[in-house]
Amino acid sequence: DAGVIQSPRHEVTEMGQEVTLRCKPISGHDYLFWYRQTMMRGLELLIYFNNNVPIDDSGMPEDRFSAKMPNASFSTLKIQPSEPRDSAVYFCASSQTGWDTEAFFGQGTRLTVV
Amino acid sequence: AQSVAQPEDQVNVAEGNPLTVKCTYSVSGNPYLFWYVQYPNRGLQFLLKYITGDNLVKGSYGFEAEFNKSQTSFHLKKPSALVSDSALYFCAVRASNTGGFKTIFGAGTRLFVKA
Repeated sequence: DAGVIQSPRHEVTEMGQEVTLRCKPISGHDYLFWYRQTMMRGLELLIYFNNNVPIDDSGMPEDRFSAKMPNASFSTLKIQPSEPRDSAVYFCASSQTGWDTEAFFGQGTRLTVV
Repeated sequence: AQSVAQPEDQVNVAEGNPLTVKCTYSVSGNPYLFWYVQYPNRGLQFLLKYITGDNLVKGSYGFEAEFNKSQTSFHLKKPSALVSDSALYFCAVRASNTGGFKTIFGAGTRLFVKA
């Protein structure tokens, strides 16, 4: 398996534009997580899915952020409209079911909103 | 509420010396603890985990971690540091919530190994 695949790797956009980040989890993993990493706030869990169903979105900062998982092999995180304070590295991770399972992370998308 | 603390922002150690990166946690019930490493411009990589059993857990790249229930700690250790170990290290704890589970990460500790 190629691991968790995220696209794009880098995204530069203007304030007010819509941004869509994409993630393909590892096949067979039924949990998918979206994290945001910044210098100030560290690694924050935004939302996670189990079997394509959102379980906890309490970390989503505001209504401008939305996430979907239409099937087991694809998820999106959308920001609309984007703001400069959304600039961060966004990671997608997946894991199998079980308390003892580790998460596998993608390489991240570095988002810059100017 | 579940939480993870990494009290040191940065740890400096000379190559060949032992290293310790500290982690303490707070969680209801039995803890499930993890260490991850992040190299520049990369995602986090799993190093090792404690689920149950032996308090000393061995992981990748010669790292090990010691679980101490009374001190609620899970410190990462390596007997002899390498320059290539320089990276950002995250401690994490798995916590329960209604309908599923999530992993909470510490703020990270940057490790510098000097040649």
